[in-house]
Amino acid sequence: DAGVIQSPRHEVTEMGQEVTLRCKPISGHNSLFWYRQTMMRGLELLIYFNNNVPIDDSGMPEDRFSAKMPNASFSTLKIQPSEPRDSAVYFCASSDLIAGSQYFGPGTRLTVL
Amino acid sequence: DAKTTQPPSMDCAEGRAANLPCNHSTISGNEYVYWYRQIHSQGPQYIIHGLKNNETNEMASLIITEDRKSSTLILPHATLRDTAVYYCIVRGGGGGLTGGGNKLTFGTGTQLKVEL
Repeated sequence: DAGVIQSPRHEVTEMGQEVTLRCKPISGHNSLFWYRQTMMRGLELLIYFNNNVPIDDSGMPEDRFSAKMPNASFSTLKIQPSEPRDSAVYFCASSDLIAGSQYFGPGTRLTVL
Repeated sequence: DAKTTQPPSMDCAEGRAANLPCNHSTISGNEYVYWYRQIHSQGPQYIIHGLKNNETNEMASLIITEDRKSSTLILPHATLRDTAVYYCIVRGGGGGLTGGGNKLTFGTGTQLKVEL
């Protein structure tokens, strides 16, 4: 298996632009998680899905952030409009609902100028 | 989920065993202990987990005290590639469609530095 796939790996954009991050979970996994990591705040859970249904989005910082999971093999995290303070590494992870161990992707490094 | 306490940093000589402690004194009966590590600029990597019995896999061993209030992750023969931040996480045992059992809360972890 290729593991969790994220794209793009790096994104540089200007303040006010829309940013879309993509994630393909490991085949057969039915939980998907979006995290954000910064030096100041560490690794924070933004939202997670079970069987494509959002379960907990309490970590989503503002209405500018939204996440979707239209099917079991794809999810997006969108920031609109982006701000410099959104600059961070965004990780996607997936797991089996029963086993619970999460497997992380390589991350997307976002820089908002 | 119960809170965990880890030392911020540790050093280990290459080839020696690295013993990383974690305190989780408020752990409840159905909570598991998970260990992850994050090598610089990479995504966190699952290492091992356990409930109350000691566990071993190809990466590490997990020793959980009888009262479950603390645990130790053991890397038997540390190499330079094991230099990373190690996170000890206590996770609820619930699951299912609406359970928060799969949710992980990462703290600040222990920065392990393996040196020659």
